[in-house]
Amino acid sequence: AQSVAQPEDQVNVAEGNPLTVKCTYSVSGNPYLFWYVQYPNRGLQFLLKYITGDNLVKGSYGFEAEFNKSQTSFHLKKPSALVSDSALYFCAVRDGDTGRRALTFGSGTRLQVQP
Amino acid sequence: EAQVTQNPRYLITVTGKKLTVTCSQNMNHEYMSWYRQDPGLGLRQIYYSMNVEVTDKGDVPEGYKVSRKEKRNFPLILESPSPNQTSLYFCASSFVQGGGYSNQPQHFGDGTRLSIL
Repeated sequence: AQSVAQPEDQVNVAEGNPLTVKCTYSVSGNPYLFWYVQYPNRGLQFLLKYITGDNLVKGSYGFEAEFNKSQTSFHLKKPSALVSDSALYFCAVRDGDTGRRALTFGSGTRLQVQP
Repeated sequence: EAQVTQNPRYLITVTGKKLTVTCSQNMNHEYMSWYRQDPGLGLRQIYYSMNVEVTDKGDVPEGYKVSRKEKRNFPLILESPSPNQTSLYFCASSFVQGGGYSNQPQHFGDGTRLSIL
């Protein structure tokens, strides 16, 4: 079975400060990991992914994520938060080895950036 | 413009009245999928399709049907809707790599909010 945990329902950060949104996963084989963002009344938008290679992945809008195999984590980070980053963030995983094609999402973390 | 289009965006209906939510993509994607989003549960996959005439159950398929007669369309059918199917539904699509697995990001529609009374 594959699963994703986002331990924080909400993260609050002041504009200009660094932000981290946490994600841990569980899969049998090699993980394919994704981060998506959802703005109000919109579908999810792809931010970045880790498939293989460099553990630090850079994505859209200045976001990056670090893959840590020993801690089975894939935390989303940004050096300096903007008010416009306020949204709902989802981590997702697919097992790249078992052939299971479904993508499993976490429950989401709401990011609130205060001016 | 590359997009996934869902219709309707909002629907209020009654128990037992069959309904269909349409989904169409213009990116020639092989893979299409339906999710439902419920508070505290994130997105859960209902059904997915790897290509025309190929569909598979996701994690929560009960009470739903799908079909994939054309590559661009992937309608979600609720034959006899019940109140526990009140939710926000998303259609998504992506390319599929040659091995059948997909590490491609998915493109999502803007969602369909269904209320079943």
